Amino acid sequence: EVQLVESGGGLVQPGGSLRLSCAVSGFSFSSYWMHWVRQAPGKGLVWVSRINSDGSGTYYADSVKGRFTISRDNAKNTLYLQMNSLRAEDTAVYYCARGITVVNAFDVWGQGAMVTVSS
Amino acid sequence: DIQMTQSPSTLSASVGDRVTITCRASQNINTWLAWYQQKPGKAPNLLIYKASSLQSGVPSRFSGSGSGAEFTLTISSLQPDDFATYYCQQYDTYATFGQGTKVEIK
Repeated sequence: EVQLVESGGGLVQPGGSLRLSCAVSGFSFSSYWMHWVRQAPGKGLVWVSRINSDGSGTYYADSVKGRFTISRDNAKNTLYLQMNSLRAEDTAVYYCARGITVVNAFDVWGQGAMVTVSS
Repeated sequence: DIQMTQSPSTLSASVGDRVTITCRASQNINTWLAWYQQKPGKAPNLLIYKASSLQSGVPSRFSGSGSGAEFTLTISSLQPDDFATYYCQQYDTYATFGQGTKVEIK
């Protein structure tokens, strides 16, 4: 069964850091682009970041550029999102998602990890 | 940045109704468009990709059409499980979602 399981969410103060993980199983992780997408409470979906299958390319939404870093460990079948300098507006459910081949559409999603930035 | 606009924002319908949701892009995105269904507290689920290709396992009552900058998602006969929020998403340049269309019970 194809599965993505996020972990690492929680409550953090403004200016703090958090690292999300997404453990993958059931498919050849190293063959796929992977993404993070977030959803603020009661709001719509926003793409955050993408990493190519071998980690050679990373891309970010303007709202997180310079603060967030996406990475992957293909040996551990795990995707990461390092989030620094967190702001209240980063409060959201963060989903990891598998890209459909080499395009920025998403055919498999994790269950989501809640990140709350508040003092 | 490419902006995506869905209409309507909310749609009230009955079981068995034919439902159409429209999505407009701020520029030509060819057929680089996907549709997702999301239920409360759950992750989105891919329904349609490349504007009209049905994702494996998705019921055939869902269909997509359009190209360029205007697209539609049609549910031919609304079922109880279909009451949810639907999002379009362009992937011509990075990824941008529409604001969502909530399909409610009439």
